Amino acid sequence: EPEVTQTPSHQVTQMGQEVILRCVPISNHLYFYWYRQILGQKVEFLVSFYNNEISEKSEIFDDQFSVERPDGSNFTLKIRSTKLEDSAMYFCASCAGLAGGAGGELFFGEGSRLTVL
Amino acid sequence: AQSVTQLGSHVSVSEGALVLLRCNYSSSVPPYLFWYVQYPNQGLQLLLKYTTGATLVKGINGFEAEFKKSETSFHLTKPSAHMSDAAEYFCAVSARNEKLTFGTGTRLTIIP
Repeated sequence: EPEVTQTPSHQVTQMGQEVILRCVPISNHLYFYWYRQILGQKVEFLVSFYNNEISEKSEIFDDQFSVERPDGSNFTLKIRSTKLEDSAMYFCASCAGLAGGAGGELFFGEGSRLTVL
Repeated sequence: AQSVTQLGSHVSVSEGALVLLRCNYSSSVPPYLFWYVQYPNQGLQLLLKYTTGATLVKGINGFEAEFKKSETSFHLTKPSAHMSDAAEYFCAVSARNEKLTFGTGTRLTIIP
């Protein structure tokens, strides 16, 4: 069964370092998302990506964050200079159609846990 | 804008007992509602969703949920809990073709 895969499963980094989280969405999906979950808090939307550009982003997704789909298969989230408050579980998701409603189901990866020291 | 409130961050039920996980939503437009489950060390998996039509929705693993517009609720139920149901459950809402907004989750523990 097709699945969304994420690497690494856990990354520990020092504050101020750059981090890249990688995702391989399901191959025929067109819409890609990053969500994050700070420990004990809700799953929060970060960004959506379609047709090689950001379609929507939240207020969390500031200039420290960027996404790209460099090779048609990987979908990456980069955090340029990590802060302590970036420690969270980051989930990648993909969807064949527009998320929500009858447009399509979001398929989530297992998450990448980022710990910033 | 949409929001979701899940009442009870932790719920414990005995094996074989009724499971009831509560979700209330707020939406300025007709909502689309979802329940996702996260088993330990796994990603989020869709349990069921309501878009339009029948308000009682059946999902995987014997779960169902009922959309009640008058109560702005979408509670998740299962008649008889199984040990394998132990997981974190997330309610989510969206407007048509928009991003999902999640609740804070409810951790379900099954007591043998």
